Amino acid sequence: KNEVEQSPQNLTAQEGEFITINCSYSVGISALHWLQQHPGGGIVSLFMLSSGKKKHGRLIATINIQEKHSSLHITASHPRDSAVYICALSGGSNYKLTFGKGTLLTVNP
Amino acid sequence: DAGVIQSPRHEVTEMGQEVTLRCKPISGHNSLFWYRQTMMRGLELLIYFNNNVPIDDSGMPEDRFSAKMPNASFSTLKIQPSEPRDSAVYFCASSLGQGADETQYFGPGTRLLVL
Repeated sequence: KNEVEQSPQNLTAQEGEFITINCSYSVGISALHWLQQHPGGGIVSLFMLSSGKKKHGRLIATINIQEKHSSLHITASHPRDSAVYICALSGGSNYKLTFGKGTLLTVNP
Repeated sequence: DAGVIQSPRHEVTEMGQEVTLRCKPISGHNSLFWYRQTMMRGLELLIYFNNNVPIDDSGMPEDRFSAKMPNASFSTLKIQPSEPRDSAVYFCASSLGQGADETQYFGPGTRLLVL
């Protein structure tokens, strides 16, 4: 079983819809990262969180440490949000990130 | 800041040739990571440097791969000899502190195709 599981694997939405991408993990962590990768493009770190909730513009990330679960929400989705969203775990003194397989989001106009 | 800079952005080479990928981390960042991304395996950490010192190279596939960081502003990843299975996107990332509990800033990647 993978240490980090993302769902759904693929998601198609209409512009304006509320989007939720989920990340579940099975190991102890010190922080969870959400990354965004546009088609053919580079990788951008969206959030790093260890508890509670963070918000940046239309993006909201939440984490529940007890349930080992995190969600990434996008409000009022836009075609430019189309990208692969990757969840990654870090374990404190361990410098390695453990990556999920990513969720491919397509937002249609 | 210009962000993490990688060169070349694209590289096409023939099997057996030497390939050198370059990375300039963000000024002041102490940690540098080399990743490889493929469709089959996703993102994999190849090697991690902290303060120019290689801390863990256990992700380096085999002896054909080597990485150096001669100073705080430059790192190279070399493949010699290259093979078709090395075709992938190679990302360099840097972060301010030590460890993975820091935001990592990724470069644009080098798309390598070995024929």
